[in-house]
Amino acid sequence: GDSVTQMEGPVTLSEEAFLTINCTYTATGYPSLFWYVQYPGEGLQLLLKATKADDKGSNKGFEATYRKETTSFHLEKGSVQVSDSAVYFCALEPQETSGSRLTFGEGTQLTVNP
Amino acid sequence: EPEVTQTPSHQVTQMGQEVILRCVPISNHLYFYWYRQILGQKVEFLVSFYNNEISEKSEIFDDQFSVERPDGSNFTLKIRSTKLEDSAMYFCASSEWGVVGEKLFFGSGTQLSVL
Repeated sequence: GDSVTQMEGPVTLSEEAFLTINCTYTATGYPSLFWYVQYPGEGLQLLLKATKADDKGSNKGFEATYRKETTSFHLEKGSVQVSDSAVYFCALEPQETSGSRLTFGEGTQLTVNP
Repeated sequence: EPEVTQTPSHQVTQMGQEVILRCVPISNHLYFYWYRQILGQKVEFLVSFYNNEISEKSEIFDDQFSVERPDGSNFTLKIRSTKLEDSAMYFCASSEWGVVGEKLFFGSGTQLSVL
């Protein structure tokens, strides 16, 4: 079945450091790929998405590129801020379904220190 | 931005008791979902609901679980006889069209603790 694997966490960085959170997936066809973020005390919020191969999703300085050849969707940000501290979830939605059944990765806790 | 609201934020119950978790989806959304996250594990899909019936459910969603939209605004998840392993954070979500690639709006969750 479908699965998503994220890098081992947690991740601790200093402000303005470069961030990469790895995400790889297993699925048939061309799933849609997402990054959701959960700030403390809040629900999951969509950060960015890509719905076809080679698409780049971007938002709030974060980027991720849909790589079919490596089945990856790594999240990057050039300069993190303290306010980026949160849990980040990679997720996929199968190509052939509707109704938004998402398969999530484990989540990566990011802490950014001033 | 519109929000999905969940109540209560924390629920403690005894094993074998029934619990009802409540959600108010975004008002113009048509598709509703429940997900859960057991501590230290992945967020898992439980069920999707459209037009007053279940459209899809996972293997987790057995006969102990049920969902209902009792009125025009609420969406509930009932667990009939709770087990210790039901302890988890339960997230409600909604979407407008239920199409592939669409954004889901999640609530902040209900932390259920079964003692």
